[in-house]
Amino acid sequence: EVQLVESGGGLVKPGGSLRVSCVGSGFTFSSYTMNWVRQAPGKGLEWVSSISSSSEFRYYGDSVKGRFTTSRDNAKKSLYLQMNSLKVEDTAVYYCVRDGNSGYGANWFDPWGQGILVTVSS
Amino acid sequence: EIVMTQSPATLSVSPGERATLSCRASQSVSSDLAWYQQKPGRAPRLLIYGASARATGIPARFRGSGSGTEFTLSISSLQSEDFAVYYCQQYHKWPPRYTFGQGTKLEIK
Repeated sequence: EVQLVESGGGLVKPGGSLRVSCVGSGFTFSSYTMNWVRQAPGKGLEWVSSISSSSEFRYYGDSVKGRFTTSRDNAKKSLYLQMNSLKVEDTAVYYCVRDGNSGYGANWFDPWGQGILVTVSS
Repeated sequence: EIVMTQSPATLSVSPGERATLSCRASQSVSSDLAWYQQKPGRAPRLLIYGASARATGIPARFRGSGSGTEFTLSISSLQSEDFAVYYCQQYHKWPPRYTFGQGTKLEIK
């Protein structure tokens, strides 16, 4: 069974930093582009970041560019999101999501992790 | 940025009836369109990709159609487990600039 499990969320003050992690299992992690998608409380879905299978390409949404960094460790089947200069509006559930297809190119998202809550508040 | 607009925001339908959800793109996305279902407190689940291909394990009562800028998700013979929020997503651009619709809440009438 393909599974993605996030960890590392919590409460952080505005201007602070936090790193969330995701471990994948049940598939060849190193063959897939991985993504982060977030959902603010009661709101819709927002794409945050994508990283290609060998980390050659990293892309970010405009709202997080310059503050967030995505990385991966294929040996550990792990994906990371380093969040710096956090703002109140970054409060959201962060989902780790796999591309639906392996290889390069734009893709749908499947499957999704269960999500991890990051709260930015003083 | 490609803006995705879903309608209606809320749809009330009786169990056993048919529901039709719409998604419009601000520019053509060809068939690079996915639909997701999200239940309260749960992660989204892929239903449809490529505008009309059902994901693994998705019942045949879910049907996606459309191309270009106009898309539809139809759910026939609604079951109790189908009442949820549905999102469309375009994946047309590379480098990625993925965008989602704001969601349609399907509620029991």
